[in-house]
Amino acid sequence: GAVVSQHPSWVICKSGTSVKIECRSLDFQATTMFWYRQFPKQSLMLMATSNEGSKATYEQGVEKDKFLINHASLTLSTLTVTSAHPEDSSFYICSALPGQGGIYEQYFGPGTRLTVT
Amino acid sequence: GNSVTQMEGPVTLSEEAFLTINCTYTATGYPSLFWYVQYPGEGLQLLLKATKADDKGSNKGFEATYRKETTSFHLEKGSVQVSDSAVYFCALLPGQAGTALIFGKGTTLSVSS
Repeated sequence: GAVVSQHPSWVICKSGTSVKIECRSLDFQATTMFWYRQFPKQSLMLMATSNEGSKATYEQGVEKDKFLINHASLTLSTLTVTSAHPEDSSFYICSALPGQGGIYEQYFGPGTRLTVT
Repeated sequence: GNSVTQMEGPVTLSEEAFLTINCTYTATGYPSLFWYVQYPGEGLQLLLKATKADDKGSNKGFEATYRKETTSFHLEKGSVQVSDSAVYFCALLPGQAGTALIFGKGTTLSVSS
């Protein structure tokens, strides 16, 4: 089956530093990837839609300059949290949409837990 | 706008009990509906889906029927197992291709033997 990986699975960083999270589709090409954020006991909130070779589309209220998304290839999208602060601590999940699949075939990564101290 | 409302958890059941997790939605157009499951330490997995009214999705003994008249997609299983312990998310996909899923808050199910 289609597999999506995320790296790292968890990261602790100091306030003011930047952290990069990778999302890879391992056995398929993904023209579109989505980045979600999940707070404890809450729903997954869509942060942005990432299309290969173009700028990401951010949801209202998500700071573009803080959460930098790059989708440079059909198998890799990255989310960089710049100048991280404790309120950025969260669980970040990506999903990938195969280029040749139907609209239902969205595969999720295992998530990355970010803790900012 | 589009939204999904799930029953609050946690849901605690004994093995072989009947499970219902309620899910209702608000949507414009003709959405598709999904249930995802997240086992501890793992990513989300698609459990079942229904793409139009009156469709029934089923998988691993779970089933849910797309009810347009009540805007609902309740998840049911006749006899739960300990291995079903997980977080269950109801989700909606608006009608446009390539759009992101909209999730409910998730319901934690804990099954004891």
